[in-house]
Amino acid sequence: KAGVTQTPRYLIKTRGQQVTLSCSPISGHRSVSWYQQTPGQGLQFLFEYFSETQRNKGNFPGRFSGRQFSNSRSEMNVSTLELGDSALYLCASSLVPGAAAYEQYFGPGTRLTVT
Amino acid sequence: GNSVTQMEGPVTLSEEAFLTINCTYTATGYPSLFWYVQYPGEGLQLLLKATKADDKGSNKGFEATYRKETTSFHLEKGSVQVSDSAVYFCALEGAGNQFYFGTGTSLTVIP
Repeated sequence: KAGVTQTPRYLIKTRGQQVTLSCSPISGHRSVSWYQQTPGQGLQFLFEYFSETQRNKGNFPGRFSGRQFSNSRSEMNVSTLELGDSALYLCASSLVPGAAAYEQYFGPGTRLTVT
Repeated sequence: GNSVTQMEGPVTLSEEAFLTINCTYTATGYPSLFWYVQYPGEGLQLLLKATKADDKGSNKGFEATYRKETTSFHLEKGSVQVSDSAVYFCALEGAGNQFYFGTGTSLTVIP
């Protein structure tokens, strides 16, 4: 079974631009979560989608948004990029929400660099 | 609110040494607790979990016990190997299935 795939793997953008990252969950998984990983802050939860609905949102500004499609694929968008948005963005999928019962599987991440 | 605090790294150990990585948490209610591992160049993987007080999670020789009285979930391994070199993350799943991660502890095991 294919794992969680994220595209692109690497991205370089300029301040003020916007970016869209894509995540394809494991086949059959309907829950997708996004995380931002930086050396200083560690892993921070961005949002979670289940059946095309956002269930949870972390403490990030409105420039960060996401959506999920009917095939469970998810995208996240960051508008008006800032230098501080440089990070590894991780996507994780599970059958349904609830990692205590259903394991989250992480993708390899998209490395975003903002210059 | 919810938060996870884990010991600062990096940690360097000789092969076959005993490993402890401390993790404490603050949470409302009764969260589930996890340890994830990130090997060099790879994504995060679940290492072990515990869903209620006094549960012990174990995998690949690693263990952690959910201690409600001390709000801790310390990771231990009796004899580390070079292949255990990785970054370890403690995490909790709170209400609404929202995850909170610690900042990660880098472990290097030298032969």
